[in-house]
Amino acid sequence: GAGVSQSPSNKVTEKGKDVELRCDPISGHTALYWYRQSLGQGLEFLIYFQGNSAPDKSGLPSDRFSAERTGGSVSTLTIQRTQQEDSAVYLCASSHTSGGGNEQFFGPGTRLTVL
Amino acid sequence: LAKTTQPISMDSYEGQEVNITCSHNNIATNDYITWYQQFPSQGPRFIIQGYKTKVTNEVASLFIPADRKSSTLSLPRVSLSDTAVYYCLAWGGSYIPTFGRGTSLIVHP
Repeated sequence: GAGVSQSPSNKVTEKGKDVELRCDPISGHTALYWYRQSLGQGLEFLIYFQGNSAPDKSGLPSDRFSAERTGGSVSTLTIQRTQQEDSAVYLCASSHTSGGGNEQFFGPGTRLTVL
Repeated sequence: LAKTTQPISMDSYEGQEVNITCSHNNIATNDYITWYQQFPSQGPRFIIQGYKTKVTNEVASLFIPADRKSSTLSLPRVSLSDTAVYYCLAWGGSYIPTFGRGTSLIVHP
């Protein structure tokens, strides 16, 4: 079956512009996670959804970051007024449900470059 | 949140066994420990998961001591294709996943 997909695969934008990153999880997976991976760094947790709800938004770096999930499926991560430090790979993962013990399936990521 | 610590890098040679240890001192009593593998320009991929003692699958073994403050991923007889970054994951008793910084394994011919 289809895995997690993300679009676009690459995004180059100018400082100050808004960007939207999309994640299509595996069908039937109720949990969805967003991570940020800066060059040569580990995975920084941003936010997770259980269904359409985001119980914990404390991982979002600033109020310029927001995310939503509709219909328990597709999720969009929005970064407003992008800064150069936002340049990174943004990874999305989904799992059957949230919490430990549930394997996360990752998408290929969106590489964001802010000029 | 859980805090995980693992070596930044390791080197090995084809055919050798590689052991990567991750410390997770504040893991919760009901937490699983999970390991992922990541190749360049790809998302991480699940390798193995365990709760206590030893777990083995077709690609790796995971050893977890009784105090569960650390875990060791064991890769038997590595090949060049095992060159990747390996992450341990703990949950800290919450729904927030905390990945380690990752261990870059380089396998030499």
